[in-house]
Amino acid sequence: DSGVTQTPKHLITATGQRVTLRCSPRSGDLSVYWYQQSLDQGLQFLIQYYNGEERAKGNILERFSAQQFPDLHSELNLSSLELGDSALYFCASSVEGAYSPLHFGNGTRLTVT
Amino acid sequence: AQTVTQSQPEMSVQEAETVTLSCTYDTSESDYYLFWYKQPPSRQMILVIRQEAYKQQNATENRFSVNFQKAAKSFSLKISDSQLGDAAMYFCAYRSGDISNFGNEKLTFGTGTRLTIIP
Repeated sequence: DSGVTQTPKHLITATGQRVTLRCSPRSGDLSVYWYQQSLDQGLQFLIQYYNGEERAKGNILERFSAQQFPDLHSELNLSSLELGDSALYFCASSVEGAYSPLHFGNGTRLTVT
Repeated sequence: AQTVTQSQPEMSVQEAETVTLSCTYDTSESDYYLFWYKQPPSRQMILVIRQEAYKQQNATENRFSVNFQKAAKSFSLKISDSQLGDAAMYFCAYRSGDISNFGNEKLTFGTGTRLTIIP
C-alpha cells in the first residue's frame, strides 16, 4: 500500500460529460502529481501541485484542470469528455526533493462511451 | 527537454534466468535521478530501484540491480533469478536534480518494456 488514495477506482461516462477524480496524498507529502496512461502506453505527466500551488504543467488539455486544497488532497477535473480521454489516471505524491520517489495511487480507470 | 527511451517493447525470460532491460536517456543536466518502476497486471506503479547520477556505484535491491553508464546515458535494469511475479511492464524514469528546476520534480517516463516470465 503506497498510502496514496484515489477515488473512484472506475468511472464510466458519456462523451461531453464532466468528471472529477480525487486524490489523497501520503501523510506528510506536499507534492501531488497527475499522470495519464492511455492503453498500453507510458505515463504522460499532466500537472504538479506543491502545498496548494501549481508547480509544473505538462501536456494537459485546456478541458482539464486541477487543484490542491488546504488539506493537501487534490482533484482533477475533466470536462467535455471525448472518447480519447479514456485512460488510467494516476495520482502520485512525494516529499520535496528530487531523490524522493513518487508514490503512486492505484489509479482511476476512466471509460468514455 | 529530457527524453527517456526504452527500445525493447517486449522481453521474455525463462524462470530462474537473468534478464536485462535497456533504457537510455537524453539530458544536458549533470544532476539527476533515475528510477525503474514496475507495473504488474494490477496496474499499480511500484518503485523497483533508483540511482543518483552523482554516484558511480550501481544501485542494487535484492535480485534487481542497475548498470548505470553516465557517459553513455544508459541505465539498464538486471533481474536475476527471474520469478513468475516479476512479470510486468517496466518503466524507466528520469527526474531532474538541477537546482534551476527545484520544485519542478516530475518524473519523465519511457514507453515501457513488457516482461514475460516463461515457466
